[in-house]
Amino acid sequence: EVQLVQSGAEVKKPGEPLKISCKGSGFKFSTYWIGWVRQMPGKGLEWMGVIYPNDSDTAYHPSFQGQITISADKSLSTAYLQWSSLKASDSAIYYCARDSAGNRFDRWGQGTQVIVS
Amino acid sequence: DIQMTQSPSSLSASVGDRVTITCRASQSIGNYLTWYQQKPGKAPRLLIFVASTLQSGVPSRFSGAGSGTDFTLTINSLQPDDFATYYCQQTYRVPHNFGPGTTLDIK
Repeated sequence: EVQLVQSGAEVKKPGEPLKISCKGSGFKFSTYWIGWVRQMPGKGLEWMGVIYPNDSDTAYHPSFQGQITISADKSLSTAYLQWSSLKASDSAIYYCARDSAGNRFDRWGQGTQVIVS
Repeated sequence: DIQMTQSPSSLSASVGDRVTITCRASQSIGNYLTWYQQKPGKAPRLLIFVASTLQSGVPSRFSGAGSGTDFTLTINSLQPDDFATYYCQQTYRVPHNFGPGTTLDIK
């Protein structure tokens, strides 16, 4: 079964670093783009960026470029989203998703809630 | 960036109704348009990709149409499980922006 399992909820203080994870199983992780999507409380979905684990090629939304780092370890079938210094405005649910054929997120993780306060 | 808009932003309907949600791109995106459904507290679910292809397991009462800049998602004979928020997304050019969403609730 194809699955993306994300790390658990985090409560952090402003200025702290954070790295959350997304582990894939049931498919060849290294050959799919993996994306990250933000959903702020009560708001819509925001495409943040994607990574191709096989060679770590990445693409970021301009709004998030420089604010986040997307990485992956193909040997662990895991993608990561990290911040070097959190802000209160980073409080949101973050979803990872598998990008199939470059035109759809066909499998999603369960989401990781990040609270910065 | 390609900007996406959706209308209406919210919609009230009854079980058995037929509803249509519209999505518009700020420039032509061919048929690179995807639709998702999201329920409160849950991850989004893929419904339709490349404008009109139904994802496996999605009921046939859902259909998508359009090309270029204007797209629609139609739900025939609404079921109680369909009340949710619907998002479109363009996958023509990075960043693959989502629309703002349309919330469908029970009248």
